[in-house]
Amino acid sequence: NAGVTQTPKFRILKIGQSMTLQCTQDMNHNYMYWYRQDPGMGLKLIYYSVGAGITDKGEVPNGYNVSRSTTEDFPLRLELAAPSQTSVYFCASSYSTGSLLYEQYFGPGTRLTVT
Amino acid sequence: DQQVKQNSPSLSVQEGRISILNCDYTNSMFDYFLWYKKYPAEGPTFLISISSIKDKNEDGRFTVFLNKSAKHLSLHIVPSQPGDSAVYFCAADSGGGADGLTFGKGTHLIIQP
Repeated sequence: NAGVTQTPKFRILKIGQSMTLQCTQDMNHNYMYWYRQDPGMGLKLIYYSVGAGITDKGEVPNGYNVSRSTTEDFPLRLELAAPSQTSVYFCASSYSTGSLLYEQYFGPGTRLTVT
Repeated sequence: DQQVKQNSPSLSVQEGRISILNCDYTNSMFDYFLWYKKYPAEGPTFLISISSIKDKNEDGRFTVFLNKSAKHLSLHIVPSQPGDSAVYFCAADSGGGADGLTFGKGTHLIIQP
């Protein structure tokens, strides 16, 4: 079991460029999430998905897009990168019945710098 | 508006003593609380959780206490070990995980030898 894997680990983007952050989990979890963590701050939810084909916005979705075509994969797309998107991005997954929550498992993160 | 607050950015404790990390929340809809531990350059890892129907949950050296009336929870680590040095995040949930967790800013715990 690899758990939650994220690629790339690091990336430097120029302003206006686009990229996709990849996230894959092999635990057959139905819920998946994208968070960002800015220096000295807690994690903030960008997007989440409760199953394949279903996605929804979190607290800070502007400038991002997601898709969930399979249970395993939940890529995060940045269009027209801006310096404000410089952050560490974490993908997470969990199993939930909707009323009963199990803990979220996190990937190692992608450190993104936009200059 | 911060719904989960960890007011101590850092805490220094001597090895072998008790570490107490505190967390306050404002949203009465939160019904599940979790503590995560994070080392540099790694993702957060789950430590312990508590449902709002309980006031205490224990797992080895880690105990979480919940005071619903005060909207306060705390994590106790006894005894503290050097490997416990990390950033600890308090997180809360209100929707069965459907809409993600709300995190505090974290407390950096430093265990001194």
